[in-house]
Amino acid sequence: DVKVTQSSRYLVKRTGEKVFLECVQDMDHENMFWYRQDPGLGLRLIYFSYDVKMKEKGDIPEGYSVSREKKERFSLILESASTNQTSMYLCASSSPRGSDEKLFFGSGTQLSVL
Amino acid sequence: QKEVEQDPGPLSVPEGAIVSLNCTYSNSAFQYFMWYRQYSRKGPELLMYTYSSGNKEDGRFTAQVDKSSKYISLFIRDSQPSDSATYLCAMRKGSGGSYIPTFGRGTSLIVHP
Repeated sequence: DVKVTQSSRYLVKRTGEKVFLECVQDMDHENMFWYRQDPGLGLRLIYFSYDVKMKEKGDIPEGYSVSREKKERFSLILESASTNQTSMYLCASSSPRGSDEKLFFGSGTQLSVL
Repeated sequence: QKEVEQDPGPLSVPEGAIVSLNCTYSNSAFQYFMWYRQYSRKGPELLMYTYSSGNKEDGRFTAQVDKSSKYISLFIRDSQPSDSATYLCAMRKGSGGSYIPTFGRGTSLIVHP
């Protein structure tokens, strides 16, 4: 079974803190994604990566950065957390070699910034 | 106007009902259409995947695409309480376009016994 593992289920941070969200996949997928999910707004793409050390901005990259030093790991960084970054964060991976290129999602990290 | 529109619900139905979930879209370049199911406190998982227009059936689930109307549907027959979840439609362009899907906001479905 494909597994996408997010390091934390729940996180509580203070405004201004630097926050790291970690994601690891075990299927040797080339593509990895970070989304945030908010009530009424659905899934919004923050950043994605199609290869090691490669990254592309999604729809809402402001206030975030990412790191992909190894194929299986994709990190989302909040340089200085703000209350409007309180959200559910979902990591996903996919392979362009798959017939349907479906996204495999982790269980999410619920981040609260106080 | 968002590229993909989906009524967030909630949609509440009795067990055994036929459920119809729908999305409309504005970009005629979309060729691949997907439905993801998301249980509470879990990530979404792919439920159905279709290419272009037509129907696809998998057990109690049928996905329907009408490209002329830019309208897609997911039907659930004999709905069960275990079908209670949020259903997200997603779609992407064909070859030469981005492989990244565009998601609807999701429809919350509640099937009560």
